[in-house]
Amino acid sequence: DAKTTQPNSMESNEEEPVHLPCNHSTISGTDYIHWYRQLPSQGPEYVIHGLTSNVNNRMASLAIAEDRKSSTLILHRATLRDAAVYYCILRDPGVSGGSYIPTFGRGTSLIVHP
Amino acid sequence: DTAVSQTPKYLVTQMGNDKSIKCEQNLGHDTMYWYKQDSKKFLKIMFSYNNKELIINETVPNRFSPKSPDKAHLNLHINSLELGDSAVYFCASSRGQDYNEQFFGPGTRLTVL
Repeated sequence: DAKTTQPNSMESNEEEPVHLPCNHSTISGTDYIHWYRQLPSQGPEYVIHGLTSNVNNRMASLAIAEDRKSSTLILHRATLRDAAVYYCILRDPGVSGGSYIPTFGRGTSLIVHP
Repeated sequence: DTAVSQTPKYLVTQMGNDKSIKCEQNLGHDTMYWYKQDSKKFLKIMFSYNNKELIINETVPNRFSPKSPDKAHLNLHINSLELGDSAVYFCASSRGQDYNEQFFGPGTRLTVL
């Protein structure tokens, strides 16, 4: 199984950039890297995904290492609303006829200080 | 407009009972999922349906039976509830099986006494 490793928690101040790391040393060549976040008492929310190149959207940026064994989710200016658990996920071909099975780990709990 | 909705939001019941959780999506998506998030906050996929057809069943006990009457609905029926079934259950949907962006519902907190 392609697995990810993330720090349990990170802290940031409001208005400052946040870099959330993820290690995925066993990633396969076709695995996409996805990031989701889960705000307190809510369902997970898609943030961004990428394969090889860095990606930007309105929520965040995703920086992917050249060897693809790690990636970093970048929140350019953290707000209090960004306090959540951030999950780094790889697509995992499972046992059910090749369908992709998303595997959520523990994620990183981001604390944002005012 | 709610994209993925679940009912009920909270469900408290006794061991041995049978209960259902309903899920509806108004996004026109082909694929729907059920996830279970336990007390340690691990989120694990249970089932996935594509165009009303079961495509993923992740070693979930037979007491759990998903039903998809149409592409917009995926309901979860649980027989003979056990204490260990207490968790938050999330429904989700995506445009297709290829799993790019999934949209999650607000969750149903099930407590089995």
